[in-house]
Order: sequence, then structure tokens, then C-alpha cells
Amino acid sequence: DGGITQSPKYLFRKEGQNVTLSCEQNLNHDAMYWYRQDPGQGLRLIYYSQIVNDFQKGDIAEGYSVSREKKESFPLTVTSAQKNPTAFYLCASSGTWLLGTEAFFGQGTRLTVV
Amino acid sequence: RKEVEQDPGPFNVPEGATVAFNCTYSNSASQSFFWYRQDCRKEPKLLMSVYSSGNEDGRFTAQLNRASQYISLLIRDSKLSDSATYLCVVNIGGGGGNKLTFGTGTQLKVEL
Repeated sequence: DGGITQSPKYLFRKEGQNVTLSCEQNLNHDAMYWYRQDPGQGLRLIYYSQIVNDFQKGDIAEGYSVSREKKESFPLTVTSAQKNPTAFYLCASSGTWLLGTEAFFGQGTRLTVV
Repeated sequence: RKEVEQDPGPFNVPEGATVAFNCTYSNSASQSFFWYRQDCRKEPKLLMSVYSSGNEDGRFTAQLNRASQYISLLIRDSKLSDSATYLCVVNIGGGGGNKLTFGTGTQLKVEL
């Protein structure tokens, strides 16, 4: 099945540890995104990538890092510099203008830092 | 000013009512527009794309007004199952590349 997969679904980490969230897609999409959602809030853009080996900061990039070494994969690292990392993290992908630009989401990762 | 703004609600409506949501965007270069639905603790899912000519899908109608920079979503004959948060999404494409920006969402509660 074509789709976008995030893992793990739930993640618990101790304060001060870096943690990497996985996002893989087999939709042949060029663009990929990471969003953060806090309870009762909207989605805020962390990083996005329009093509392999390129990515841009979103609105709340501080304390996060990404890489885009393969078209299918866009992992997000939550570093110890992120002051309040507990949140729901959503990864999405979208195609180019020719393929349509709506985004498809993974099921999300709920990160809890204790 | 936020790039995409929505009234957070909640909109509490009786079953069968018609309800409308608006969303404004600030970047006149925005190229494409969408409405997404998000259920509690789930990922957002595409409800419909929004075109200048307007589009309809069953009980749902979406409109785009480029001059005033807003999009709207109309839900007719609302059902209990329509209860969710509706997210307005704007894509600044073309020279700006694909950058999807979400509104904070409008919460809808349909009641008996």
C-alpha cells in the first residue's frame, strides 16, 4: 500500500536525551514536512524539505534537526535544546504541481519527555 | 498577522443545521488551498481542495475568494459524525516552493 509511515507511535524519553522520529513515504513525493501539535492547538511547522539534500526551517525550528538523504525518508531529531519537547509530532508529504499538492499525513508520534 | 487565520470556535450546532467556516490568508502569492478534517488525537485527513470556481462534494461546499484572500467551508445538514476540527491549509507554491501552512483549526460539535 502507498502511504506515509511514522514510528514509533508512542515514545518516552528522559529529559536531556536526543531522540529521532522516523518518517518514511512510498508515494514518490518530493516535499516532506514535520509539524508539531500541542493539546488543543493547531499544527506548527518545524522543518520542510522540497527535494533530496535540501530543507528549510519552519516557524519553530529551534531545538530540532532534520536530514533528507533519501527521497523516501525525512527523520526528525528532537535535541536536548528543545525546551518543551512533549507534543504530538506529525510528518506529511506532498507532490509537485504536476502531481497535486495536497498533503498526506502519517499517524503521528506522541513524544513524552519525563 | 498570522499567515492563516481561523476562528477557533467551538461551533456547537444541532444536527441538521448548516454551518459555515471562514479562513483568511495573508500571502497573496498562495497557490493552492485545502480543507482538512482532524479527529481527536488523530492525524489530519484531506476533506477537499478549494478552487476559484468553488467546488462541492455532497454536503460540503468550498469557496475561494482571491480578492479578499479568504476561503470558506459550508456544511449542510450536519451530522453527529461531522464533529471534528476543520483545518484550513494554504500552500505557497511556485517560486516559493511547496510550503503548507495550517490554520489553528475550527472545532465543530454537532449535537442531538
